[in-house]
Amino acid sequence: GAVVSQHPSRVICKSGTSVKIECRSLDFQATTMFWYRQFPKQSLMLMATSNEGSKATYEQGVEKDKFLINHASLTLSTLTVTSAHPEDSSFYICSALRPGPSSTDTQYFGPGTRLTVL
Amino acid sequence: GDSVTQMEGPVTLSEEAFLTINCTYTATGYPSLFWYVQYPGEGLQLLLKATKADDKGSNKGFEATYRKETTSFHLEKGSVQVSDSAVYFCALEGGGSNYKLTFGKGTLLTVNP
Repeated sequence: GAVVSQHPSRVICKSGTSVKIECRSLDFQATTMFWYRQFPKQSLMLMATSNEGSKATYEQGVEKDKFLINHASLTLSTLTVTSAHPEDSSFYICSALRPGPSSTDTQYFGPGTRLTVL
Repeated sequence: GDSVTQMEGPVTLSEEAFLTINCTYTATGYPSLFWYVQYPGEGLQLLLKATKADDKGSNKGFEATYRKETTSFHLEKGSVQVSDSAVYFCALEGGGSNYKLTFGKGTLLTVNP
């Protein structure tokens, strides 16, 4: 199956600093990637849709200046949490959309990044 | 808006027991329905899907049938194995072509030998 990686898997940072999370599709090209956030015992919440070569589309309530998304190539999207605060601590998961025939495009998920802001 | 409700866990079963994880949804239009599985330390993997009413998705012994009349997509397996221990997520993709997924909260399944 298709492989999507995330780096780092865990990160701890001080309040006020910025953290960058990478999402890579390792064996296919993805024009569209998604960023999700998961709170403990909660479902995954879509934060934004990342489109290669254009601006990301953010879901309602997600601060675009807080969560910067860059999809600079067909295999890499990055999420930067700027001026992080403890309430940004969460599990961040990305997915990459792999094109398929006859409307069978499928999202493949990364393993997630655990962010802890002290 | 769209929403997915799945039974809360955790669910603990003995090997070879029958599994049902309930999932119901609310959506406008005609969504596609999915079950994803997350094994410990790994990303979500697509387990099965159904794109229209009465379709049955199946994979690795798991099945789920898209029931429009009851807005449900319950996951079943006749005989679970220890290796099936994981978190299971029900999800829907709303009508249209934006590929946005709405997830349930996930159900932790533990299968004991």
